[in-house]
Amino acid sequence: SQQGEEDPQALSIQEGENATMNCSYKTSINNLQWYRQNSGRGLVHLILIRSNEREKHSGRLRVTLDTSKKSSSLLITASRAADTASYFCATVLTGGGNKLTFGTGTQLKVEL
Amino acid sequence: GAVVSQHPSRVICKSGTSVKIECRSLDFQATTMFWYRQFPKKSLMLMATSNEGSKATYEQGVEKDKFLINHASLTLSTLTVTSAHPEDSSFYICSAIAGGRETQYFGPGTRLLVL
Repeated sequence: SQQGEEDPQALSIQEGENATMNCSYKTSINNLQWYRQNSGRGLVHLILIRSNEREKHSGRLRVTLDTSKKSSSLLITASRAADTASYFCATVLTGGGNKLTFGTGTQLKVEL
Repeated sequence: GAVVSQHPSRVICKSGTSVKIECRSLDFQATTMFWYRQFPKKSLMLMATSNEGSKATYEQGVEKDKFLINHASLTLSTLTVTSAHPEDSSFYICSAIAGGRETQYFGPGTRLLVL
């Protein structure tokens, strides 16, 4: 079965609000990555957090990782209409080389 | 930096024909490339891992003879969908990673429609 499950599946917020997406996984990981995909396009790498890290920031993005709960969250602060996209978490499993296993994704819509 | 291109961006073909999709790393040498398939509003499913100069490693359930992968150089991998059928219609995305690195860089995808 798929490694990562994300919730919510869809999220609609107003511009300026914060958006939080969660990702759960099932087995031991080396790292967890978040990607963004605009409709019908390729993926853009947002942030990578290693298994020994608990929190990471990049601009308006904040990622947390709780390996005891096998979960991660992505927070986008002060959202903009341009943040509208699908967001995927992906894990690199322990001993899995560089293979990514993707979660189900969250479709974020930021309205003006 | 770290740009990956795919060609073509979209292709329509008749059932029974073969289609080749190219994935190129434009500004770095990709020791490993990955091929994914994505259905509408779904996640990406890894099809195969391709290492330069060696045979591709296919995921369970992916037919090797159906999806031929060649990684002839450090900047180019190709996916050929042989004898395509309508159920092969999908969005195919490649990614590339440089040796010793952790981040995969994705191409823009190729939308295949088989009539």
